[in-house]
Amino acid sequence: DGGITQSPKYLFRKEGQNVTLSCEQNLNHDAMYWYRQDPGQGLRLIYYSQIVNDFQKGDIAEGYSVSREKKESFPLTVTSAQKNPTAFYLCASSYAGGRHEQYFGPGTRLTVT
Amino acid sequence: GIQVEQSPPDLILQEGANSTLRCNFSDSVNNLQWFHQNPWGQLINLFYIPSGTKQNGRLSATTVATERYSLLYISSSQTTDSGVYFCAVNSNSGYALNFGKGTSLLVTP
Repeated sequence: DGGITQSPKYLFRKEGQNVTLSCEQNLNHDAMYWYRQDPGQGLRLIYYSQIVNDFQKGDIAEGYSVSREKKESFPLTVTSAQKNPTAFYLCASSYAGGRHEQYFGPGTRLTVT
Repeated sequence: GIQVEQSPPDLILQEGANSTLRCNFSDSVNNLQWFHQNPWGQLINLFYIPSGTKQNGRLSATTVATERYSLLYISSSQTTDSGVYFCAVNSNSGYALNFGKGTSLLVTP
């Protein structure tokens, strides 16, 4: 089955701890993205990567970090510097940036207390 | 950056009714997608439609790129159509999607 997987589905952490969210795709897509969704809002871009070993900040990158060591994987780390980390995080991928259709994973709900 | 406005923000319909959702955007785009977000949060791709008209069953969409708007039509609505519908665009100079705030649709029996 081709698609995008995210794990875990739910994640609970104490304030001050870093946490890493997993995103894997087997669609042979070059571009991958991380978005954040807050209640009642649309999605906002955190980071994107158009190719392995390269990534760019999105609109709300502060307090987050990413890596892209493999084409299939684009993990997101939520650091203790992120002031309001509780949110729904969605990963997406596409054949290339921008103009190509994007497909989304099922998301990870992060709660930090 | 590019602005995306969706209307109406909320919509309640009785089963069997038709509806039109609108998406206005502020700049030229090379990608426009409509999504349905189900109660579990999954974003389901409905249409990839930077221009023109497409139909898929009871759903259809039209994008008039020169006038910077897109419409999503839902006919003979069913309770399973409930959820949030998002329009998202990529500007000609951008690399990722910019989302509207969505239209929350509730279809009652």
